[in-house]
Amino acid sequence: GAVVSQHPSWVICKSGTSVKIECRSLDFQATTMFWYRQFPKQSLMLMATSNEGSKATYEQGVEKDKFLINHASLTLSTLTVTSAHPEDSSFYICSARAGGPYNEQFFGPGTRLTVL
Amino acid sequence: AQRVTQPEKLLSVFKGAPVELKCNYSYSGSPELFWYVQYSRQRLQLLLRHISRESIKGFTADLNKGETSFHLKKPFAQEEDSAMYYCALGYSSASKIIFGSGTRLSIRP
Repeated sequence: GAVVSQHPSWVICKSGTSVKIECRSLDFQATTMFWYRQFPKQSLMLMATSNEGSKATYEQGVEKDKFLINHASLTLSTLTVTSAHPEDSSFYICSARAGGPYNEQFFGPGTRLTVL
Repeated sequence: AQRVTQPEKLLSVFKGAPVELKCNYSYSGSPELFWYVQYSRQRLQLLLRHISRESIKGFTADLNKGETSFHLKKPFAQEEDSAMYYCALGYSSASKIIFGSGTRLSIRP
């Protein structure tokens, strides 16, 4: 149980275009989802916390107008990288909290974004 | 501020040898600690949580509040243990998790 999927698994786009990444919890409802960014050989950096039906909470230094997050249902959160530039190229990973007494999160497989 | 420190970027041990991956944390509240593992080309997955006091795949970790540590141990390493290991601290009512920088464990045959 507790499977999280992401789509697409990889995407290549031109500079200036926008890219949407989907994160789905397949067998549970997730009131809270999280978006991380991972640079090569580095740890995960939390970008934002996404709560169903409300605005996302962004970490310090993350541009909310560039990284638009929508959490319209209990099983789907989307991250849109707007006007992407080469420096936005990275591995984006989402996770979902399954609820209950623990804060553990279940992770998606990640999406590799390459901006040309 | 909360912080998780994993001092070793790489740990290489022989098969059958004991393994200890170090993790120290800094948090003023009551900590909730996890170990996550990422095998080659796979997603990050939960290995164990301190609250459960469980042993998964032979790994254990004990929370030492006095030393603010949550080291991961296994008495006899196996080749399939080779992976990236992340220590993580859960905090705040928003259920956030902060990760350490990770330790790559390499088991030599």
